[in-house]
Amino acid sequence: NAGVTQTPKFQVLKTGQSMTLQCAQDMNHEYMSWYRQDPGMGLRLIHYSVGAGITDQGEVPNGYNVSRSTTEDFPLRLLSAAPSQTSVYFCATTPGSSYEQYFGPGTRLTVT
Amino acid sequence: GENVEQHPSTLSVQEGDSAVIKCTYSDSASNYFPWYKQELGKRPQLIIDIRSNVGEKKDQRIAVTLNKTAKHFSLHITETQPEDSAVYFCAASGNTGNQFYFGTGTSLTVIP
Repeated sequence: NAGVTQTPKFQVLKTGQSMTLQCAQDMNHEYMSWYRQDPGMGLRLIHYSVGAGITDQGEVPNGYNVSRSTTEDFPLRLLSAAPSQTSVYFCATTPGSSYEQYFGPGTRLTVT
Repeated sequence: GENVEQHPSTLSVQEGDSAVIKCTYSDSASNYFPWYKQELGKRPQLIIDIRSNVGEKKDQRIAVTLNKTAKHFSLHITETQPEDSAVYFCAASGNTGNQFYFGTGTSLTVIP
């Protein structure tokens, strides 16, 4: 069991570039979420999904898109990167039967 | 939406002393309150959680208390050890269990 995996671990983008952060899980968990973590601000929810084909916005969705075509994958797309999107991004999953969240290892993104 | 406040932002204790971190929440519909420990460069990891139908929960040196009326919950670590040094986050979630709102974190340093 790999649990929750994220790729890449590090990424540097130029302003205006687009990219996709990958998140995959092999635990058959229903719920998946994306967070960003900035110094002094804790973790803030970007988007979440309660199952394949269903996504919704969290606290800070602007500038990000998500889709969930399978239970296993939940990619996060940055449409046009901005320096304000420099952050550490965590993907997390939750089984539908409990509230315990499992976090991926994170992706550190720098936008110059 | 939910607003979670966490205090203090930094905490230093002598090894063997107790540490207490407090959080308040705003949404009376929240009913699940986890605490996470995050070491530098690592992912958040769940250390203890409590549901709204319980007032206190203990796991060895760690305990969490919840006051639903006052909308606050606290993490208590007794007999602190240097390996307890980390950033601790509280969070709150409502009935769906797929939206978590985090506090801004407490950096705990245990001085040997």
